[in-house]
Amino acid sequence: DAKTTQPTSMDCAEGRAANLPCNHSTISGNEYVYWYRQIHSQGPQYIIHGLKNNETNEMASLIITEDRKSSTLILPHATLRDTAVYYCIVRVDQGGSEKLVFGKGTKLTVNP
Amino acid sequence: GAVVSQHPSRVICKSGTSVKIECRSLDFQATTMFWYRQFPKQSLMLMATSNEGSKATYEQGVEKDKFLINHASLTLSTLTVTSAHPEDSSFYICSATNRRDLNTEAFFGQGTRLTVV
Repeated sequence: DAKTTQPTSMDCAEGRAANLPCNHSTISGNEYVYWYRQIHSQGPQYIIHGLKNNETNEMASLIITEDRKSSTLILPHATLRDTAVYYCIVRVDQGGSEKLVFGKGTKLTVNP
Repeated sequence: GAVVSQHPSRVICKSGTSVKIECRSLDFQATTMFWYRQFPKQSLMLMATSNEGSKATYEQGVEKDKFLINHASLTLSTLTVTSAHPEDSSFYICSATNRRDLNTEAFFGQGTRLTVV
Protein backbone atom coordinates (compact mmCIF):
# COMPACT_ATOMS: atom_id res chain seq x y z
CA ASP A 1 0.00 0.00 0.00
CA ALA A 2 1.07 3.54 -0.70
CA LYS A 3 2.31 5.52 2.28
CA THR A 4 1.00 8.83 0.96
CA THR A 5 -2.32 10.65 0.68
CA GLN A 6 -3.04 13.43 -1.79
CA PRO A 7 -6.10 15.42 -2.83
CA THR A 8 -7.88 13.82 -5.74
CA SER A 9 -7.84 16.90 -7.93
CA MET A 10 -6.77 20.53 -8.06
CA ASP A 11 -7.14 23.43 -10.43
CA CYS A 12 -4.68 26.20 -11.12
CA ALA A 13 -4.66 29.24 -13.38
CA GLU A 14 -2.03 29.41 -16.07
CA GLY A 15 0.96 31.47 -14.98
CA ARG A 16 0.21 31.07 -11.29
CA ALA A 17 1.99 28.82 -8.84
CA ALA A 18 0.57 25.35 -8.31
CA ASN A 19 1.01 23.99 -4.79
CA LEU A 20 0.36 20.28 -4.49
CA PRO A 21 0.23 18.87 -0.96
CA CYS A 22 1.06 15.37 0.19
CA ASN A 23 0.78 13.66 3.56
CA HIS A 24 3.20 10.90 4.51
CA SER A 25 2.82 10.67 8.27
CA THR A 26 4.30 7.16 8.55
CA ILE A 27 7.51 7.95 6.68
CA SER A 28 10.67 6.46 8.17
CA GLY A 29 13.89 8.30 8.79
CA ASN A 30 15.74 7.01 5.73
CA GLU A 31 12.86 7.10 3.24
CA TYR A 32 12.85 9.72 0.51
CA VAL A 33 9.85 11.57 -0.89
CA TYR A 34 9.62 11.45 -4.67
CA TRP A 35 7.34 13.31 -7.04
CA TYR A 36 6.44 12.07 -10.49
CA ARG A 37 3.81 13.16 -12.95
CA GLN A 38 1.98 11.29 -15.66
CA ILE A 39 0.46 12.82 -18.72
CA HIS A 40 -2.28 10.73 -20.26
CA SER A 41 -1.11 7.40 -21.70
CA GLN A 42 2.57 8.07 -21.10
CA GLY A 43 5.06 6.74 -18.60
CA PRO A 44 5.58 8.79 -15.43
CA GLN A 45 8.11 11.59 -15.55
CA TYR A 46 10.47 12.23 -12.65
CA ILE A 47 10.14 15.70 -11.12
CA ILE A 48 12.07 15.95 -7.86
CA HIS A 49 12.89 14.14 -4.64
CA GLY A 50 14.13 14.94 -1.16
CA LEU A 51 14.83 13.59 2.30
CA LYS A 52 14.43 16.46 4.75
CA ASN A 53 15.83 19.61 3.18
CA ASN A 54 13.89 21.68 0.70
CA GLU A 55 14.92 21.01 -2.88
CA THR A 56 14.66 22.99 -6.10
CA ASN A 57 15.40 22.13 -9.69
CA GLU A 58 14.45 23.48 -13.09
CA MET A 59 11.00 21.94 -12.90
CA ALA A 60 9.80 22.50 -9.36
CA SER A 61 10.49 23.05 -5.69
CA LEU A 62 9.87 20.57 -2.91
CA ILE A 63 9.09 21.79 0.57
CA ILE A 64 9.26 19.15 3.30
CA THR A 65 7.99 19.93 6.80
CA GLU A 66 10.41 19.68 9.68
CA ASP A 67 8.69 16.58 11.07
CA ARG A 68 8.72 15.10 7.53
CA LYS A 69 5.09 14.11 7.78
CA SER A 70 4.05 16.16 4.80
CA SER A 71 5.44 17.93 1.78
CA THR A 72 4.38 20.34 -0.95
CA LEU A 73 5.39 20.33 -4.58
CA ILE A 74 5.47 23.81 -6.08
CA LEU A 75 5.31 24.51 -9.79
CA PRO A 76 6.19 28.21 -9.76
CA HIS A 77 4.57 29.25 -13.03
CA ALA A 78 2.13 26.61 -14.20
CA THR A 79 1.52 26.19 -17.92
CA LEU A 80 -1.14 24.25 -19.78
CA ARG A 81 1.40 21.51 -20.41
CA ASP A 82 1.65 20.94 -16.66
CA THR A 83 -1.84 19.42 -16.67
CA ALA A 84 -1.21 15.86 -15.47
CA VAL A 85 -1.63 13.46 -12.58
CA TYR A 86 1.00 14.17 -9.93
CA TYR A 87 2.16 11.35 -7.70
CA CYS A 88 3.86 11.78 -4.35
CA ILE A 89 5.72 8.60 -3.44
CA VAL A 90 7.70 7.44 -0.46
CA ARG A 91 10.43 5.15 -1.65
CA VAL A 92 10.22 2.20 0.69
CA ASP A 93 13.09 0.07 1.88
CA GLN A 94 11.82 -3.41 2.63
CA GLY A 95 14.44 -5.80 3.87
CA GLY A 96 17.17 -4.61 1.52
CA SER A 97 14.88 -4.40 -1.48
CA GLU A 98 13.36 -1.06 -2.33
CA LYS A 99 9.96 -0.35 -3.84
CA LEU A 100 8.31 2.55 -5.61
CA VAL A 101 4.62 2.25 -4.76
CA PHE A 102 2.17 4.70 -6.32
CA GLY A 103 -0.92 6.09 -4.61
CA LYS A 104 -3.84 7.62 -6.45
CA GLY A 105 -2.17 10.95 -7.14
CA THR A 106 -3.59 14.43 -7.71
CA LYS A 107 -5.05 15.35 -11.05
CA LEU A 108 -3.88 18.90 -11.69
CA THR A 109 -5.72 20.89 -14.30
CA VAL A 110 -4.12 24.14 -15.43
CA ASN A 111 -6.74 26.47 -16.85
CA PRO A 112 -6.12 29.24 -19.39
CA GLY B 1 17.35 12.58 -17.43
CA ALA B 2 18.19 8.99 -18.14
CA VAL B 3 16.39 7.16 -20.91
CA VAL B 4 14.38 3.99 -20.51
CA SER B 5 12.95 2.49 -23.67
CA GLN B 6 10.05 0.07 -23.79
CA HIS B 7 9.09 -2.03 -26.78
CA PRO B 8 6.58 -2.47 -28.25
CA SER B 9 4.51 0.60 -27.47
CA ARG B 10 1.34 -1.16 -28.56
CA VAL B 11 0.52 -4.81 -29.13
CA ILE B 12 -2.62 -6.70 -29.98
CA CYS B 13 -2.61 -10.45 -29.48
CA LYS B 14 -5.03 -13.32 -29.58
CA SER B 15 -6.31 -14.89 -26.41
CA GLY B 16 -4.12 -17.78 -25.32
CA THR B 17 -0.91 -16.49 -26.87
CA SER B 18 2.11 -15.05 -25.07
CA VAL B 19 3.49 -11.55 -25.39
CA LYS B 20 6.95 -10.31 -24.49
CA ILE B 21 7.61 -6.70 -23.51
CA GLU B 22 11.16 -5.37 -23.40
CA CYS B 23 12.50 -2.65 -21.16
CA ARG B 24 15.94 -1.22 -21.85
CA SER B 25 18.01 1.34 -20.01
CA LEU B 26 19.84 3.18 -22.78
CA ASP B 27 22.43 5.24 -20.96
CA PHE B 28 22.88 3.70 -17.53
CA GLN B 29 23.13 0.32 -15.87
CA ALA B 30 19.86 -0.68 -14.31
CA THR B 31 20.50 -2.75 -11.24
CA THR B 32 16.81 -2.71 -10.32
CA MET B 33 13.76 -2.67 -12.54
CA PHE B 34 10.11 -2.38 -11.60
CA TRP B 35 7.12 -3.56 -13.62
CA TYR B 36 3.74 -1.91 -13.26
CA ARG B 37 0.27 -2.37 -14.68
CA GLN B 38 -2.23 0.44 -15.06
CA PHE B 39 -5.91 0.06 -15.83
CA PRO B 40 -7.93 3.00 -17.22
CA LYS B 41 -8.36 5.88 -14.80
CA GLN B 42 -6.41 4.07 -12.13
CA SER B 43 -2.97 4.48 -10.65
CA LEU B 44 0.06 2.36 -11.42
CA MET B 45 0.04 -0.97 -9.63
CA LEU B 46 3.42 -2.48 -8.83
CA MET B 47 3.61 -6.03 -10.13
CA ALA B 48 7.18 -7.01 -9.37
CA THR B 49 10.67 -5.80 -8.59
CA SER B 50 13.66 -7.40 -10.24
CA ASN B 51 17.33 -7.05 -9.42
CA GLU B 52 19.88 -7.94 -12.10
CA GLY B 53 20.92 -11.54 -11.94
CA SER B 54 18.35 -12.65 -9.39
CA LYS B 55 14.74 -13.74 -9.39
CA ALA B 56 12.02 -11.14 -9.38
CA THR B 57 10.04 -10.38 -6.25
CA TYR B 58 6.33 -10.37 -7.03
CA GLU B 59 3.68 -8.37 -5.25
CA GLN B 60 0.87 -10.19 -3.52
CA GLY B 61 -1.77 -11.36 -5.95
CA VAL B 62 0.48 -11.29 -9.01
CA GLU B 63 0.96 -14.72 -10.56
CA LYS B 64 4.64 -15.35 -11.18
CA ASP B 65 3.93 -18.14 -13.64
CA LYS B 66 1.72 -15.89 -15.71
CA PHE B 67 3.93 -12.81 -15.69
CA LEU B 68 7.45 -14.03 -16.32
CA ILE B 69 10.16 -11.50 -15.60
CA ASN B 70 13.75 -11.82 -16.71
CA HIS B 71 16.48 -9.36 -15.79
CA ALA B 72 19.56 -11.08 -17.14
CA SER B 73 21.61 -7.99 -17.92
CA LEU B 74 22.14 -4.52 -16.53
CA THR B 75 20.38 -2.94 -19.49
CA LEU B 76 17.49 -5.25 -20.26
CA SER B 77 14.49 -6.69 -18.48
CA THR B 78 11.60 -8.51 -20.11
CA LEU B 79 8.05 -9.18 -19.03
CA THR B 80 6.27 -12.06 -20.72
CA VAL B 81 2.52 -12.32 -20.33
CA THR B 82 1.82 -16.00 -20.85
CA SER B 83 -1.47 -17.37 -22.13
CA ALA B 84 -2.92 -13.89 -22.29
CA HIS B 85 -6.63 -13.33 -21.79
CA PRO B 86 -8.78 -10.25 -22.36
CA GLU B 87 -8.61 -9.35 -18.67
CA ASP B 88 -4.82 -8.97 -19.09
CA SER B 89 -5.43 -6.04 -21.43
CA SER B 90 -3.77 -3.10 -19.75
CA PHE B 91 -1.01 -0.49 -19.89
CA TYR B 92 2.27 -2.06 -18.75
CA ILE B 93 5.08 0.23 -17.64
CA CYS B 94 8.64 -0.50 -16.61
CA SER B 95 10.96 1.58 -14.50
CA ALA B 96 14.70 1.33 -13.97
CA THR B 97 17.18 2.63 -11.47
CA ASN B 98 20.92 2.26 -11.37
CA ARG B 99 21.44 1.22 -7.80
CA ARG B 100 19.54 -0.02 -4.82
CA ASP B 101 19.65 3.32 -3.13
CA LEU B 102 16.69 5.23 -1.80
CA ASN B 103 18.37 8.44 -3.00
CA THR B 104 18.34 7.50 -6.65
CA GLU B 105 15.49 8.37 -8.94
CA ALA B 106 13.90 5.71 -11.09
CA PHE B 107 13.13 6.44 -14.71
CA PHE B 108 10.13 5.12 -16.57
CA GLY B 109 9.58 3.73 -20.00
CA GLN B 110 6.85 5.07 -22.21
CA GLY B 111 4.60 2.09 -21.53
CA THR B 112 3.13 -0.74 -23.59
CA ARG B 113 -0.56 -0.87 -24.37
CA LEU B 114 -1.57 -4.54 -24.51
CA THR B 115 -4.90 -5.52 -26.00
CA VAL B 116 -5.91 -9.17 -25.91
CA VAL B 117 -8.70 -10.10 -28.28
